[in-house]
Amino acid sequence: QKEVEQDPGPLSVPEGAIVSLNCTYSNSAFQYFMWYRQYSRKGPELLMYTYSSGNKEDGRFTAQVDKSSKYISLFIRDSQPSDSATYLCAMMRGTSYGKLTFGQGTILTVHP
Amino acid sequence: EAGVTQSPTHLIKTRGQQATLRCSPISGHTSVYWYQQALGLGLQFLLWYDEGEERNRGNFPPRFSGRQFPNYSSELNVNALELEDSALYLCATGVREGGNEKLFFGSGTQLSVL
Repeated sequence: QKEVEQDPGPLSVPEGAIVSLNCTYSNSAFQYFMWYRQYSRKGPELLMYTYSSGNKEDGRFTAQVDKSSKYISLFIRDSQPSDSATYLCAMMRGTSYGKLTFGQGTILTVHP
Repeated sequence: EAGVTQSPTHLIKTRGQQATLRCSPISGHTSVYWYQQALGLGLQFLLWYDEGEERNRGNFPPRFSGRQFPNYSSELNVNALELEDSALYLCATGVREGGNEKLFFGSGTQLSVL
């Protein structure tokens, strides 16, 4: 069993829709949670970074962490065609510094 | 401010050869991380350098090695290339926040082994 599970999709939604992306994990040692966006032939771009349960909002993006259920989510409101990309969840232990464990990534397409 | 820069963008080698990939960190960042993104395997941690020293490595054989220079730039060397080494190699540098590091990635080097 993988430490981090992420539905690879693909996910296709109309412009303006609310998108929900999810990851589950098995290792309770994970304390820091991130969401990255990766466009084709580019490196991952950090979208959200959290280290506590609850919600964190940044513009159209909301990250949600539920440590008791070992479940994290990313919500995208008013989705745009420019949001079309692969979304990766990532996690790390408290003392892992930059050693991240990634999910497989979800491919998202937002069509006009 | 310049981001993480990697070179070359693409690299084509044949099996058995050696590949050298380069990374320049964001100004002020002293840690460099290397990740491999292979088809079907996702992003996997390879190596971590900080202050010129190797601090940690992932589950990769010793033919994957590297170094960090005094200016904090880094090289990743892959010896005795195998077909399955074909992947996007990503470099990331970090800034400490909340007791851990927030990573920023470069655009990667696409290595193809023929």
